[in-house]
Amino acid sequence: DIQMTQSPSSLSASVGDRVTITCRASQSINSYVSWFQQKAGQAPKLLIYSASSLQSGALSRFSGRKSGTDFTLTISGLQPEDFATYYCQQTYSHPFTFGPGTKVDVK
Amino acid sequence: QVQLQQWGAGLLKPSETLSLTCGVYGGSFSAYYWTWVRQPPGKGLEWIGEITHRRRTNYNPSLNSRVSISVDTSKNQFSLRLSSVAAADTAMYFCARTNYGSGSLDHWGQGTLVIVSS
Repeated sequence: DIQMTQSPSSLSASVGDRVTITCRASQSINSYVSWFQQKAGQAPKLLIYSASSLQSGALSRFSGRKSGTDFTLTISGLQPEDFATYYCQQTYSHPFTFGPGTKVDVK
Repeated sequence: QVQLQQWGAGLLKPSETLSLTCGVYGGSFSAYYWTWVRQPPGKGLEWIGEITHRRRTNYNPSLNSRVSISVDTSKNQFSLRLSSVAAADTAMYFCARTNYGSGSLDHWGQGTLVIVSS
């Protein structure tokens, strides 16, 4: 299985901050990475697909980048509604695997 | 507007079989893979498996011997069965649509909490 190592596991930030979360894949996975936001009691919501494409309906302050097997999600100007847990997922090979998540909370 | 609505028994005893169904409303049923994901309380997401309208399946090997996903194309529904459940199978179970064009799970059901307890 492809392992997705996500860091940090948690972070504290303030409204307006720029936040960056990283996932590293255990092998080359092309650009088959998605990023999800999950709030308590809700289903995950797709933010980014194909490493850097913004999902329809997702806000433009969310962006994704790929560098080799490293993938980053950046939130430019954190808003109150962005405090949540974020997951990466690879869909390069089965079984599709998720990173362990990054919880973003209030500093 | 695509909506996924799921239902099924939420309380099981050890050794019983979990059974959940997900209905797809709106959009094409044949153009996508239909997926199950689970999340134990307070933990991360685990991909369970997927199926196409032609009944082609892919399963997570960690569950392979116990899991079965089926589809009813006449109703635009797909179902999950997980046999011989144990306490470790207690989780929120989500159905989702996998869009291979974008390589993403782009629509999700609301989730069903399944508790396994004697």
